[in-house]
Amino acid sequence: GENVEQHPSTLSVQEGDSAVIKCTYSDSASNYFPWYKQELGKRPQLIIDIRSNVGEKKDQRIAVTLNKTAKHFSLHITETQPEDSAVYFCAASKYTGTASKLTFGTGTRLQVTL
Amino acid sequence: SQTIHQWPATLVQPVGSPLSLECTVEGTSNPNLYWYRQAAGRGLQLLFYSVGIGQISSEVPQNLSASRPQDRQFILSSKKLLLSDSGFYLCAWDTYSGNVSPLHFGNGTRLTVT
Repeated sequence: GENVEQHPSTLSVQEGDSAVIKCTYSDSASNYFPWYKQELGKRPQLIIDIRSNVGEKKDQRIAVTLNKTAKHFSLHITETQPEDSAVYFCAASKYTGTASKLTFGTGTRLQVTL
Repeated sequence: SQTIHQWPATLVQPVGSPLSLECTVEGTSNPNLYWYRQAAGRGLQLLFYSVGIGQISSEVPQNLSASRPQDRQFILSSKKLLLSDSGFYLCAWDTYSGNVSPLHFGNGTRLTVT
């Protein structure tokens, strides 16, 4: 089955700096790669996603890049703010035509310091 | 708009007791439904998914079971809880539209088995 590795496990940046989180996946047939943000005690919330036919996607301060050849994808957050502090999860799935079974990375705890 | 309801929010149960967690989705028909578990400080593990009424697929062998008695209702059960069943249980949904749609999570149930 799919295996997703995520690093770093913790990341501390100063407010205004950029943060980069990287993930690799094992199944070359995976075609959907979402990123979730989870604040303490709350549900994961989708912040951005990318499909295998796209190499990069941007939404304001957040961007995701995908390298299908190397089987890795990254989340980039620019001009970080204290409210960006949370745990971020990457995920990958191979859409089977019915259900999309996401395999999640182990998460990155991002701390934005003043 | 679509909403997902999950209850209870927190639950403390003794070892050996039964479990029933319920999840309902509003505002959509024939959703794919999922149960994920998140151990403390860990990633999200897919437990069960369902593509239709009465159709349940199990991803991880354990003493838990799932049922889908109605189109928008998903239930997670156990006859006898173990200490290792403690965790944050998240119901989620997406829809089949010929392509991948984002996965949305409920607010979760924090289960502590004592």
